[in-house]
Amino acid sequence: EAEVAQSPRYKITEKSQAVAFWCDPISGHATLYWYRQILGQGPELLVQFQDESVVDDSQLPKDRFSAERLKGVDSTLKIQPAELGDSAMYLCASSLGGPQGGYEQYFGPGTRLTVT
Amino acid sequence: GEDVEQSLFLSVREGDSSVINCTYTDSSSTYLYWYKQEPGAGLQLLTYIFSNMDMKQDQRLTVLLNKKDKHLSLRIADTQTGDSAIYFCAESIRDYKLSFGAGTTVTVRA
Repeated sequence: EAEVAQSPRYKITEKSQAVAFWCDPISGHATLYWYRQILGQGPELLVQFQDESVVDDSQLPKDRFSAERLKGVDSTLKIQPAELGDSAMYLCASSLGGPQGGYEQYFGPGTRLTVT
Repeated sequence: GEDVEQSLFLSVREGDSSVINCTYTDSSSTYLYWYKQEPGAGLQLLTYIFSNMDMKQDQRLTVLLNKKDKHLSLRIADTQTGDSAIYFCAESIRDYKLSFGAGTTVTVRA
């Protein structure tokens, strides 16, 4: 069964350091999402890609966060510099998207980030 | 997630039915979803319902949608210990983005 892959699974970093997360969506899925999930809360969307283009990054703190999906397949989310409040689970999801349907989002296992 | 509300906790005896409730606010939502999250893991899509449907059944899962009251529920029949997890309700908003509730922690006791 096809799955969304994410790495690393866990990351501990000191504040002010840079950190990067990687996501490989299900093959053929045009839409890719990055979510942040703070402990005890539901996921909140950070950025949405359609192929290699950003569709929505309105909730992405652009002074420190960046995201790219250069070839429209895998994606990287970066934080620089990391702050204590960035400690959370970072989830990647993908969907087929497009007018033919298939809007269900499938999630990867997530990256648990701890900033010390 | 503040537009989707769920009760925070549910305790149920093994073998009984569980009912998890959710209210949402966007009347234009086209799809509503239920996801399951086990400790330290990502979200697993359980089921979803299109907004023009009232009910959907999938094995032990039954989803009921009351569009007038913007109320969604998930019933799990014959609840097992493996059903212990956090369950998230989500509504699709513009461009099919998802807005999640805070999650309901379901504990199954023997």
